[in-house]
Amino acid sequence: DGGITQSPKYLFRKEGQNVTLSCEQNLNHDAMYWYRQDPGQGLRLIYYSQIVNDFQKGDIAEGYSVSREKKESFPLTVTSAQKNPTAFYLCATLPGPTNTGELFFGEGSRLTVL
Amino acid sequence: ILNVEQSPQSLHVQEGDSTNFTCSFPSSNFYALHWYRWETAKSPEALFVMTLNGDEKKKGRISATLNTKEGYSYLYIKGSQPEDSATYLCALQGGTSYGKLTFGQGTILTVHP
Repeated sequence: DGGITQSPKYLFRKEGQNVTLSCEQNLNHDAMYWYRQDPGQGLRLIYYSQIVNDFQKGDIAEGYSVSREKKESFPLTVTSAQKNPTAFYLCATLPGPTNTGELFFGEGSRLTVL
Repeated sequence: ILNVEQSPQSLHVQEGDSTNFTCSFPSSNFYALHWYRWETAKSPEALFVMTLNGDEKKKGRISATLNTKEGYSYLYIKGSQPEDSATYLCALQGGTSYGKLTFGQGTILTVHP
């Protein structure tokens, strides 16, 4: 089945640890995005990549890092520099950098910092 | 920073009721307006992407309208069913950077049998 797979679904981390969230897609979409959800707030853009080996910061990139070495994969690392990492993280894709259509989303990963 | 507001924050209706929600956005920053439905434990799914003032779109019992001059969009659900229970998100695309959306906080709809 074509789709977007995020893993793990739930993750617990101790303060000071880095953690990497996985996002894999087999839709052959060019562009990939990471959004964060906090209670009572809209989704906020962390990082995005429109093509392999290229990515840009979104609105709240501080404390996060990404890589885009393969078209299918866009992992997000939450570093110890992220002050409030506990949140729900959604990965999304678009068919192409110039597509005006809708985003396709994964099911998300919930990160809790203990 | 664009500000997208949705109201109400939550809504409880009875099966068969029709309902509507509002999404407000700054009319000066508009390229497209997206609506998504997000059911619990699932992925958000796109309902509509609208770009033209006066646009009206429909998918089954759900429809949406767009007024870019005054900066609002309405989502209507006719004859709500329990399976319509979900969070409805609207998102503003403020320019040609596709996929860079500013989301509202969502409207949580619960349809009671």
